[in-house]
Amino acid sequence: KAGVTQTPRYLIKTRGQQVTLSCSPISGHRSVSWYQQTPGQGLQFLFEYFSETQRNKGNFPGRFSGRQFSNSRSEMNVSTLELGDSALYLCASSLGAGGPYEQYFGPGTRLTVT
Amino acid sequence: GENVEQHPSTLSVQEGDSAVIKCTYSDSASNYFPWYKQELGKGPQLIIDIRSNVGEKKDQRIAVTLNKTAKHFSLHITETQPEDSAVYFCAATSNTGNQFYFGTGTSLTVIP
Repeated sequence: KAGVTQTPRYLIKTRGQQVTLSCSPISGHRSVSWYQQTPGQGLQFLFEYFSETQRNKGNFPGRFSGRQFSNSRSEMNVSTLELGDSALYLCASSLGAGGPYEQYFGPGTRLTVT
Repeated sequence: GENVEQHPSTLSVQEGDSAVIKCTYSDSASNYFPWYKQELGKGPQLIIDIRSNVGEKKDQRIAVTLNKTAKHFSLHITETQPEDSAVYFCAATSNTGNQFYFGTGTSLTVIP
């Protein structure tokens, strides 16, 4: 089975721009979670989607948003980028219903904001 | 919400020695505790997990123990090898499984 894939792997953006990151979960997985990883803050939970619905959200500003499609693929969007948004963005997938189930991570998207 | 604390933040051991990483959690409803290994430039990889109806689980050189009463769980790596060098994260979640709470990570260095 193919693992979780994330595109793009690397991104460089300028302050004020917006960015969209994509995540394809493991086949059959319906839950996708997004995390921001920085050296100082560790793994910070952004949000979780299951069957196209956001079930849970972390403490991030409204500039961070996401969505999930009917094929379980997910995207997250960050608008009006700030320097502090530079981080590794990870998505993780799991079966999602009747859990908790094992959560598997993708390789991440490294976002650099200049 | 849940709060997961992880210690130590850094750990150096000689090759062949054992390494132990400890985590505590605050929410008694948490019932699933995975451990992840993250190598440089990669996403976290699930290496072992334990559910609250089990006290110990072993997979070759790694083992995890859980003490529900004390709300702590530990990762044990025996006969460490240089390729065990990585950052290890513990996590906890509850029945809903909607949100995983992660520890702050332990950077393990195995010295050849």
